[in-house]
Amino acid sequence: DAKTTQPTSMDCAEGRAANLPCNHSTISGNEYVYWYRQIHSQGPQYIIHGLKNNETNEMASLIITEDRKSSTLSLPHATLRDTAVYYCIVRPLVPEYGNKLVFGAGTILRVKS
Amino acid sequence: DVKVTQSSRYLVKRTGEKVFLECVQDMDHENMFWYRQDPGLGLRLIYFSYDVKMKEKGDIPEGYSVSREKKERFSLILESASTNQTSMYLCASREPGRNEQYFGPGTRLTVT
Repeated sequence: DAKTTQPTSMDCAEGRAANLPCNHSTISGNEYVYWYRQIHSQGPQYIIHGLKNNETNEMASLIITEDRKSSTLSLPHATLRDTAVYYCIVRPLVPEYGNKLVFGAGTILRVKS
Repeated sequence: DVKVTQSSRYLVKRTGEKVFLECVQDMDHENMFWYRQDPGLGLRLIYFSYDVKMKEKGDIPEGYSVSREKKERFSLILESASTNQTSMYLCASREPGRNEQYFGPGTRLTVT
C-alpha cells in the first residue's frame, strides 16, 4: 500500500470548516483514498473514500487533486464531537483476501469552542 | 447504517480466567475481524473470518481463539487471560469485495 503523510495535529474553531490534508505521492492507479477517524476510547469510524473525483456524503467531503498525489478531507461545520484522530490511507478498492487495516499516526483534530 | 456491537465496553478479569468477547453485526457482512489496539503499536489483527465457520489467523493469534457459528456473530476467546492481553479489543466487519471496515465501539479489557 502507498504511504501517506499527514500533519500531526490541527486546531479548528467550532462551526468553521476543518480541512485535513493528506499527501500520497506514490499512489498507484488502482488505489483509492480512504479516511477513517477515531474518537477517544471508541472504535475507528469509516468516513469516506474516493478514486479521483471529489466525493461527498453526510459526514464529509473528499477533494482529490488532479494528479491524485494529495487530498483533503473537509468537515464543513466542525463541532466539538468531531475532535478525533483522522487517518488517511490508500488501498485498492477490492481488498486482497483477509486484507487487514493498518493506520499511520494520523492527524489529531481539536475542535475548540 | 451498519451497526457493529460488542458485548462489553469495559471488562476486568483475573490472570488465568477464560474470557469471551462477543461481536454482532447487523448488515449481513461475510467478513469479520478482531483487532487489538495498543498505544504506540496501532491496530494489530488477531483473527479474521471470511464466512461462517471459517477463520484465519492474523498477525498475533497466540493466546486467542475465535468462533463463528452464525454469520452475524464473531467471538474472541482468551483461553487463559494474561496481563499482556490488557488492551482495547476492536471488532470490525466488511462486505466481501469492499475495503471499508465498520468497527464496534471496542472493549477495554484489563487483566490483573
